[in-house]
Amino acid sequence: EAQVTQNPRYLITVTGKKLTVTCSQNMNHEYMSWYRQDPGLGLRQIYYSMNVEVTDKGDVPEGYKVSRKEKRNFPLILESPSPNQTSLYFCASSFRDSGDTQYFGPGTRLTVL
Amino acid sequence: AQKVTQAQTEISVVEKEDVTLDCVYETRDTTYYLFWYKQPPSGELVFLIRRNSFDEQNEISGRYSWNFQKSTSSFNFTITASQVVDSAVYFCALSEAGDNQGGKLIFGQGTELSVKP
Repeated sequence: EAQVTQNPRYLITVTGKKLTVTCSQNMNHEYMSWYRQDPGLGLRQIYYSMNVEVTDKGDVPEGYKVSRKEKRNFPLILESPSPNQTSLYFCASSFRDSGDTQYFGPGTRLTVL
Repeated sequence: AQKVTQAQTEISVVEKEDVTLDCVYETRDTTYYLFWYKQPPSGELVFLIRRNSFDEQNEISGRYSWNFQKSTSSFNFTITASQVVDSAVYFCALSEAGDNQGGKLIFGQGTELSVKP
């Protein structure tokens, strides 16, 4: 089944404790992105990747890192999480860039205390 | 600047009523793409439709239909004979061809639809 998977689905952590949210897709998509969803703000892009080893900042990259060592995986790293990073996070992938349909993972609900 | 506005924050209808969700967008690109996604209470984002800026044909898929009007920069979504299972948050989104941000989607704030039995 074609899908985007994310882990963990739920995470409660404390300020400053490094964490990684994994994302994997099995559709051989070139493009992958991370978004965060906050009430009243819709979804906003954090980082994106156009191919292996090619990543760049989205609209709200502060406090996040990513890597793309393999085509299928695109982990999101929070080196020192803070409470303002409490949010619902989505990973997405698409075959091409603009205009192509992005398929989203199930979401990761992160709470930083 | 690019922007998507969904003015209706919440809509409540009774089952079998028709309901239209409004979406207005702003862009300077002549080539762009519009999307609708559904987010049910379980939280995942489900793709519903994609439209490019050169295709103004309206589309119908079962009880769902979409009305794209470039003249008013709108891409409205209508559910006919609504059902309780349609209860969800619906997002309209825009992607610009000249964006160079990996196909970044610009989302509206979402409209929460509640369909009561």
